[in-house]
Parts: sequence; C-alpha cells; structure tokens
Amino acid sequence: QKEVEQDPGPLSVPEGAIVSLNCTYSNSAFQYFMWYRQYSRKGPELLMYTYSSGNKEDGRFTAQVDKSSKYISLFIRDSQPSDSATYLCAMSAYGNQFYFGTGTSLTVIP
Amino acid sequence: GAVVSQHPSWVICKSGTSVKIECRSLDFQATTMFWYRQFPKQSLMLMATSNEGSKATYEQGVEKDKFLINHASLTLSTLTVTSAHPEDSSFYICSAPRGETGEYEQYFGPGTRLTVT
Repeated sequence: QKEVEQDPGPLSVPEGAIVSLNCTYSNSAFQYFMWYRQYSRKGPELLMYTYSSGNKEDGRFTAQVDKSSKYISLFIRDSQPSDSATYLCAMSAYGNQFYFGTGTSLTVIP
Repeated sequence: GAVVSQHPSWVICKSGTSVKIECRSLDFQATTMFWYRQFPKQSLMLMATSNEGSKATYEQGVEKDKFLINHASLTLSTLTVTSAHPEDSSFYICSAPRGETGEYEQYFGPGTRLTVT
C-alpha cells in the first residue's frame, strides 16, 4: 500500500465551481500536511500548510485534515482559469521525510 | 515566504559530459535538502536526501556515483549528473524543509530542466 493515495484525475470544472481535491494516507504518525500547486515546467508552490487536524482557510482555498479518517482535502472556491494546474498533497511525520501524492490535474474552463 | 532557488533553470549538454545543479535556500538555513526528478505528467520522484556535513542518502535504484550530491553549507546543496546520457534528461527539483517551533514546511525550487543530446 502506498503511503499517500491521490486521484490523478484529470478533473475539469467550469469557472466559478467549487473544486474538491483529496488524499488519503496510511501512516497515523503524519502530522504535517501540505498542498502544492504546480504549473507545467515549474517547481511546486506551497499553497497550504496544516499542522495536525483541523481546517485552515486562505482566501479561496480551504484545507481540511481529518486524522481519524486519515483523509485530507483542499477546497477551491470560485475557481478561476488560473487555478488550472496539478495539485500535489504532501505529508510528513517528523519533518525529515516527506511523502507525496501523485498529483491531481485540474482544468478550469472559462 | 521562504525562497529556494535553483541554478541553472535550463541546461543542454552533450552525452558524456557532467552537469552541476545548485540549490540554495535564500532566507533560511537548511540542514537537509531533497532532490527530486520529474518526468512529464508524472509526480515527483525522490532521488536523495542531502545532509549538511555528512553523506547524502540515496533512494533505492538511484546511482550514487552518477548523481553526486554535496551539501556544502547550510544554504547550498549541489547535484552533479556525471557522464550524462539522454535518459537522464528530466526536470530536477530541489526542496528544503524549514522548521520553526517544531512545525515544518517544505519549499521547492523552481526546477532545472536538463536536456542531454
């Protein structure tokens, strides 16, 4: 079983839609959770960081962590064409080793 | 936010030559840095963990004699692809975790595109 599972998509939504991206994991020791956005031919950009459980909101982005279910989500409200990218989840137990999902490709259609 | 830079951003080299890629943490110290490679439309593949002051730790299947890693200081790690071949053509990305009060965020560099002809 992989440490982190993420649906690769592709996901295609109309502009203005709410997007839900998810990852599941198997290691209960994970406590640092991150979401990255990666445009083609660019390095991943840190979008959201959450420590332990709970929700975190930043503008149109909301990250949720449910440690009891080993499930994390990223919600994008009022999606824009500029949100079209690959979204990667990542997590770590102690900050010295990070595990990534395979990435979900998102296209927001104008 | 934290910034990690890479140089060069794009390099073309001939088969058999060596290429050095630099990764720098610009506004924080990083005792650990990670090197990844990424093929088109695929996820990141961890190659090795670079440790300041000690030898790098390589992932299974990664040739340590081919991908030489040197963590020269708390802000600089280098990856040298020795005797490069066309199959080494890829997107190489470094990252560095920044820890504050026990919480860790990982920041990526912009990546280096290597093309071996």
